[in-house]
Amino acid sequence: GAVVSQHPSWVICKSGTSVKIECRSLDFQATTMFWYRQFPKQSLMLMATSNEGSKATYEQGVEKDKFLINHASLTLSTLTVTSAHPEDSSFYICSAPKGRGAYNEQFFGPGTRLTVL
Amino acid sequence: GQSLEQPSEVTAVEGAIVQINCTYQTSGFYGLSWYQQHDGGAPTFLSYNALDGLEETGRFSSFLSRSDSYGYLLLQELQMKDSASYFCAVRNTGGFKTIFGAGTRLFVKA
Repeated sequence: GAVVSQHPSWVICKSGTSVKIECRSLDFQATTMFWYRQFPKQSLMLMATSNEGSKATYEQGVEKDKFLINHASLTLSTLTVTSAHPEDSSFYICSAPKGRGAYNEQFFGPGTRLTVL
Repeated sequence: GQSLEQPSEVTAVEGAIVQINCTYQTSGFYGLSWYQQHDGGAPTFLSYNALDGLEETGRFSSFLSRSDSYGYLLLQELQMKDSASYFCAVRNTGGFKTIFGAGTRLFVKA
């Protein structure tokens, strides 16, 4: 199957700092990538859709100025958590769909665990 | 908007069969997917139903009834390694966006 990587796999930062998370599709091109956030024992909540060459589309309630998304190329999307606070501590997962038409499979990265002190 | 409902927990014994149900409400429907997630790991794709009926992949099968807005995941010959969270997810029309249910934690006992 296709491979999606994330970097870093975990990060600890101080409150008020910014953290950048990278998501790469390693063996396919992804014009669209998705960013999810997951709190312990909860579901994956879609934060935004990252679109190559255009602005990201954010879900209702997600602050676009706090969670900056850049889709720099067909294989790379980055999520920057600006001025992070302890409540931003979570598991951040990206995914990329591969396939055409009615069927496609979402390939998920391994996730990035963010802890804000 | 979209909403999905699935049981929060299911417990079964090794070798048994378990069915995890999912009902959904969505404005536009393009397909129902199932994902498995072990603690600390990322979700992995299990199956996808765009049309009514049963899809079988090894020990796992998934069923969809669009008229009932209902689907289920069937796991056969349960193994200890199947202990994980299972999420149903819907794709709405117009894109690849996928919305996940709350997840069902499956505990497989010896």
